[in-house]
Amino acid sequence: ETGVTQTPRHLVMGMTNKKSLKCEQHLGHNAMYWYKQSAKKPLELMFVYNFKEQTENNSVPSRFSPECPNSSHLFLHLHTLQPEDSALYLCASSQDAGGRGDTQYFGPGTRLTVL
Amino acid sequence: AQSVAQPEDQVNVAEGNPLTVKCTYSVSGNPYLFWYVQYPNRGLQFLLKYITGDNLVKGSYGFEAEFNKSQTSFHLKKPSALVSDSALYFCAVRGYNAGNNRKLIWGLGTSLAVNP
Repeated sequence: ETGVTQTPRHLVMGMTNKKSLKCEQHLGHNAMYWYKQSAKKPLELMFVYNFKEQTENNSVPSRFSPECPNSSHLFLHLHTLQPEDSALYLCASSQDAGGRGDTQYFGPGTRLTVL
Repeated sequence: AQSVAQPEDQVNVAEGNPLTVKCTYSVSGNPYLFWYVQYPNRGLQFLLKYITGDNLVKGSYGFEAEFNKSQTSFHLKKPSALVSDSALYFCAVRGYNAGNNRKLIWGLGTSLAVNP
């Protein structure tokens, strides 16, 4: 395993629910990321935190709300989602998001289904 | 615009044969190139990267990749494929652009099937 864990692994929710995804990294990294992976589409970067500061919000709808309380933990709060938000949500971490040679390490993902 | 292309949706090879998964890129400046693999129901696993230096990069699980600047390519290779190599492979590039140097640009992925 890569040292990045995600919970839950699977989540089914209705459009009116509120839920949260959790990510934890045990690699001593300073940057954390949320990605959305949908079939037949490139990986979509959603948010980036570097040294606990949000440095990227890639035009993500406000129904997705990230939280990074420290450099080891990252959350994605979900509310009033749409069926098209169903996807695999991947968390990643790296040493420093500003480094060009920086390598990202991924968690196993949360498979989200919105009914 | 920066981009990555993986021209083959699927590659089929027989076990024991060499495999190649293709990747071409378009970036400004010198590219930083990455290969990742994704097994079913798993996240992406880092295989190797090219930063500078030797054009042949060796990575995990016996994989290697060759950087070709003139052809703007970074093809992934393995001399002898295993059935367990069957997975989805992603190429990614990070260009030298002050506004975008954090972002990786991802290909759509190539599904590799190794037949026994």
